[in-house]
Amino acid sequence: EAGVTQSPTHLIKTRGQQATLRCSPISGHTSVYWYQQALGLGLQFLLWYDEGEERNRGNFPPRFSGRQFPNYSSELNVNALELEDSALYLCASDIWGETQYFGPGTRLLVL
Amino acid sequence: KNEVEQSPQNLTAQEGEFITINCSYSVGISALHWLQQHPGGGIVSLFMLSSGKKKHGRLIATINIQEKHSSLHITASHPRDSAVYICAVTDMYSGGGADGLTFGKGTHLIIQP
Repeated sequence: EAGVTQSPTHLIKTRGQQATLRCSPISGHTSVYWYQQALGLGLQFLLWYDEGEERNRGNFPPRFSGRQFPNYSSELNVNALELEDSALYLCASDIWGETQYFGPGTRLLVL
Repeated sequence: KNEVEQSPQNLTAQEGEFITINCSYSVGISALHWLQQHPGGGIVSLFMLSSGKKKHGRLIATINIQEKHSSLHITASHPRDSAVYICAVTDMYSGGGADGLTFGKGTHLIIQP
C-alpha cells in the first residue's frame, strides 16, 4: 500500500511569489494535516482538513491556505512568500484520529 | 495550548547502551505520539499511546497520564537508531474541534559504534 506522497520534493521561489504544495494521503484516510518545520523552530501545526473541509488551523497568517479535494488529496498554498517561509512542509494523514502517517515533505526555499 | 518539553535535547551514547528520552506536557491530552526523524527529513510514527505501555522490537514507550509524562526507551541501542526523536501530543477534543499535533523540540540521539 502506498504511503503519503508529496510533490514537489523541492521548490525554489522568490519573495512575493506564490507556492503550491500537494499531498496525497494513504488510501482510506480522510484527514490531512499540514505542518511546517522551519530551521530552529521545530515542527508546527499549520492546517487540518477532514472530509473536504478545513477543521482547524494553527497560528499562521491567512496567506497560508489550502483545500482538500473529493479524493482527499490536499493542496497547500502560500501567497506573498516571505524569506521566513523557507522550511520543510510535511503532510500527514489519518482516519478517525488514529496514528498519523507522514509524507517525505516538500523543501521550500524562498530567495 | 499544550507545552511539550523533551529531555535531553542531545544524547550521545555507545552502541548497546539503554537509552531513555523523556517527555512532559502541560494539559490533558487524548494521545501522545513518539516520532522518529532521520537526517533526510522523513518522519516515521513509532508509537501512539493514551495509557500504559507499548513495545515494538527494541523500542518501549510508556505514559503516566496523572503525571503528564512519557518515556521512550531503546534497548541494545545501535548506530542505526541515530535520529531525532520527537514527542507530540493531541490535545483533548473540545466541541468537536481538534488541533493537529503539538510537538516537542526533539532529542538528537547519536549512537556511536
